[in-house]
Amino acid sequence: KQEVTQIPAALSVPEGENLVLNCSFTDSAIYNLQWFRQDPGKGLTSLLLIQSSQREQTSGRLNASLDKSSGRSTLYIAASQPGDSATYLCAVKGTQAGTALIFGKGTTLSVSS
Amino acid sequence: DTEVTQTPKHLVMGMTNKKSLKCEQHMGHRAMYWYKQKAKKPPELMFVYSYEKLSINESVPSRFSPECPNSSLLNLHLHALQPEDSALYLCASSQDSPASSGANVLTFGAGSRLTVL
Repeated sequence: KQEVTQIPAALSVPEGENLVLNCSFTDSAIYNLQWFRQDPGKGLTSLLLIQSSQREQTSGRLNASLDKSSGRSTLYIAASQPGDSATYLCAVKGTQAGTALIFGKGTTLSVSS
Repeated sequence: DTEVTQTPKHLVMGMTNKKSLKCEQHMGHRAMYWYKQKAKKPPELMFVYSYEKLSINESVPSRFSPECPNSSLLNLHLHALQPEDSALYLCASSQDSPASSGANVLTFGAGSRLTVL
């Protein structure tokens, strides 16, 4: 059974720092991996989607990498801002038909000004 | 239109009430989902509708009753809920369904915050 783990569970950094969020998964048979952002009490906003054949995706100050063979993904945030404060969730889609997204528990990021 | 719209945003109900959550998308997506999210927990899948048919039911209690009137709408009917059912209920949609081996990229709504007294 696929399990997704995110480390750390919480992270506090001063504004301007570069930071890395980690996501690991136990079954490398994935179709893709998505990173989401969730503000308190709100829905999920998709940030980046990496297909299993890709190594990384970039969007603005965000860069997500994928090492499928080792079961790891990282989300790199450059020059963090207070507006980046949120919970970041990763989720994997398995290759087996009939499986839905499996989410990690998330990393809650706080960026202080 | 690239949104999933959920109503109401907030709902407070007693344990004897009957209420419904609604979800709508106009992206032509063929699969729609209900997730339940408790505080500081990841979303948990409840139901998946694919081509207006229920394709996944994750052993959800019968006090939650999904309905898919057409390909753009998904409802969640609530009856005789318990206080522990209080949570954020998220709706999502995707172009393809989990039954396929496709990318299954989900678009989420903003959620409906449910409080059961």
